[in-house]
Amino acid sequence: GENVEQHPSTLSVQEGDSAVIKCTYSDSASNYFPWYKQELGKRPQLIIDIRSNVGEKKDQRIAVTLNKTAKHFSLHITETQPEDSAVYFCAACEVEYGNKLVFGAGTILRVKS
Amino acid sequence: GAVVSQHPSRVICKSGTSVKIECRSLDFQATTMFWYRQFPKQSLMLMATSNEGSKATYEQGVEKDKFLINHASLTLSTLTVTSAHPEDSSFYICSAILAGGAYFGPGTRLTVL
Repeated sequence: GENVEQHPSTLSVQEGDSAVIKCTYSDSASNYFPWYKQELGKRPQLIIDIRSNVGEKKDQRIAVTLNKTAKHFSLHITETQPEDSAVYFCAACEVEYGNKLVFGAGTILRVKS
Repeated sequence: GAVVSQHPSRVICKSGTSVKIECRSLDFQATTMFWYRQFPKQSLMLMATSNEGSKATYEQGVEKDKFLINHASLTLSTLTVTSAHPEDSSFYICSAILAGGAYFGPGTRLTVL
């Protein structure tokens, strides 16, 4: 089955700096890679996703890159703000199998003002 | 985005009792829903895949007789934790798929005394 590893487990950045979180996956059949943001006690919120036919996707301050050959994908947050502080999870799945997501362990992002 | 609700949001029960958690897709139909549990400061662990009109598919290590899943309609899946014990205390979250994206319910915090 799929296995997703996520690094780092915690990340502290100064407000305005960039943050990068990296994930690797094991199953070459996976073709959908979403990123979720979870605040304490709340539901995970989808912030960006990428499919295997695309190498990069950007949405304002957030971008995701995918390297299918190396089986890794990364989340990039630029101009970080205190409200970006949360836990971020990457996930991977094969869409044809109903989006059975396998999650990474999560990254606690702290943005210091 | 798609709306998924869960009820109750929080439940406290005595050891040995059963607890039912409902997951509803409010503005779309979902033939497949997923149930996750999340321990404090940990990632989301997939428990089972709930399929409308058929039996749920459980992940390895998840007791199907303890975590009963019923997907009776295209908008409702229920998870019943039977004979709950303190070790079942956790945050239970469901998700439903719309247009290839997974949307999560707000979660149910279960505390078993």
